[in-house]
Amino acid sequence: DVKVTQSSRYLVKRTGEKVFLECVQDMDHENMFWYRQDPGLGLRLIYFSYDVKMKEKGDIPEGYSVSREKKERFSLILESASTNQTSMYLCATNNMVGTEAFFGQGTRLTVV
Amino acid sequence: GENVEQHPSTLSVQEGDSAVIKCTYSDSASNYFPWYKQELGKGPQLIIDIRSNVGEKKDQRIAVTLNKTAKHFSLHITETQPEDSAVYFCAASINNDMRFGAGTRLTVKP
Repeated sequence: DVKVTQSSRYLVKRTGEKVFLECVQDMDHENMFWYRQDPGLGLRLIYFSYDVKMKEKGDIPEGYSVSREKKERFSLILESASTNQTSMYLCATNNMVGTEAFFGQGTRLTVV
Repeated sequence: GENVEQHPSTLSVQEGDSAVIKCTYSDSASNYFPWYKQELGKGPQLIIDIRSNVGEKKDQRIAVTLNKTAKHFSLHITETQPEDSAVYFCAASINNDMRFGAGTRLTVKP
C-alpha cells in the first residue's frame, strides 16, 4: 500500500512564524501535491512538483513556497504565517498523469 | 485553468435510497475524472474514476457517468448505507493538474 505521511496532525503557530509542513511518500512516485482544504471551497491546489527540484504554482501560491530536494519528500513552507492561513493542509502523490492520487491524513494548522 | 463545480453541497438520504452528485468542468481537454471519499479525520480516498474515452463505469453500488459534450459527470450510489456517510469530491485532471470540486456532504439516515 502507498503510504503518504504528513509530519503533524495538528499544529498551532503564531502570526509571523515560519512554518514547515513535511510530507513523505514511500512509493517512489514522481508527482507530489499540496492542497488546502476549507469548508465550502473544497481542495485548492497550492503547489505541485513533478520531479526533484521542480515545482509549479497552483491556484493559491501566495504566501507559500515549497521544496523538493529528494524524490520522497515535499515540504510546504509558510514564510510568515498569517491567521488567514489557518486551514487543513493535504499532501498527495501520484505516479503518472491521470492516475489515482494518494493523500496523507492532513495537517490542521491554526495560526494565532 | 480548469474550474470544477459540484452540486449539491449537502445531501441527506434514507438508508437504501440512491444518491446522485453532479459535477461540471470547464476545460474540454480534461481527460481523467476521479471521485474521492473523505471520512472524518482522514485524507480523501479514491472510490471510482473514469477517463474521457469512456461514458460510464460501475463498481458494485457505485457508478460514474461522463458526458463530454456537456462537460459534466455524475456519481451514483445505489442502496445507500450509513457507512456511505462522508464528504465526496469530484475532480478533473489534465496533465499533472488536478482540480477538485467544493465537495458534497452525504448523510445516510438509518
